[in-house]
Amino acid sequence: TAGITQAPTSQILAAGRSMTLRCTQDMRHNAMYWYRQDLGLGLRLIHYSNTAGTTGKGEVPDGYSVSRANTDDFPLTLASAVPSQTSVYFCASSEPAAKNNEQFFGPGTRLTVL
Amino acid sequence: QKEVEQNSGPLSVPEGAIASLNCTYSDRGSQSFFWYRQYSGKSPELIMSIYSNGDKEDGRFTAQLNKASQYVSLLIRDSQPSDSATYLCAVRYNFNKFYFGSGTKLNVKP
Repeated sequence: TAGITQAPTSQILAAGRSMTLRCTQDMRHNAMYWYRQDLGLGLRLIHYSNTAGTTGKGEVPDGYSVSRANTDDFPLTLASAVPSQTSVYFCASSEPAAKNNEQFFGPGTRLTVL
Repeated sequence: QKEVEQNSGPLSVPEGAIASLNCTYSDRGSQSFFWYRQYSGKSPELIMSIYSNGDKEDGRFTAQLNKASQYVSLLIRDSQPSDSATYLCAVRYNFNKFYFGSGTKLNVKP
């Protein structure tokens, strides 16, 4: 089972450029999430979507945007990248109707902004 | 801001010993609790979830939840070198909000 796929695996991006990180899940989960993970800071929520067609802001949304046109895909866009957005980005999904609403993570995208 | 606190470690235990990992959280309204394992350079992998007070066992892993004291712990019995990783505690509250601790690094020495 594929679960959650993310692309690209890694990327070096010049400051000021835009980029979209892709995330696709095949578990038919209603909820999807984007986190960034920085050394010593743990996972921080950027944006989330409880169901297709809806999105919400997490803890650190500035500089990022998302869309949720369908159940499977949840792209994250950096409109004008800055060096502070250098991080590892994880996409996750969960099914809120399930008893514990467990989150499952994709393999991550390592982004370096120079 | 919902706080989830973990000792960053590293926690070192000899092979075959019990490793005990602890996590405290600030919001009494928290509903579910999760332990993830993360190897260096990899994504978090769900080990266990728990939502009722008491113990929940799965193989060598036991999660313990005490809502009155607002802590959740993970015990790893018969620790193996392959258990060496960073363990993340996560807390869910308010339907679909998750907060993560910064993780405890575990080293299991052969």
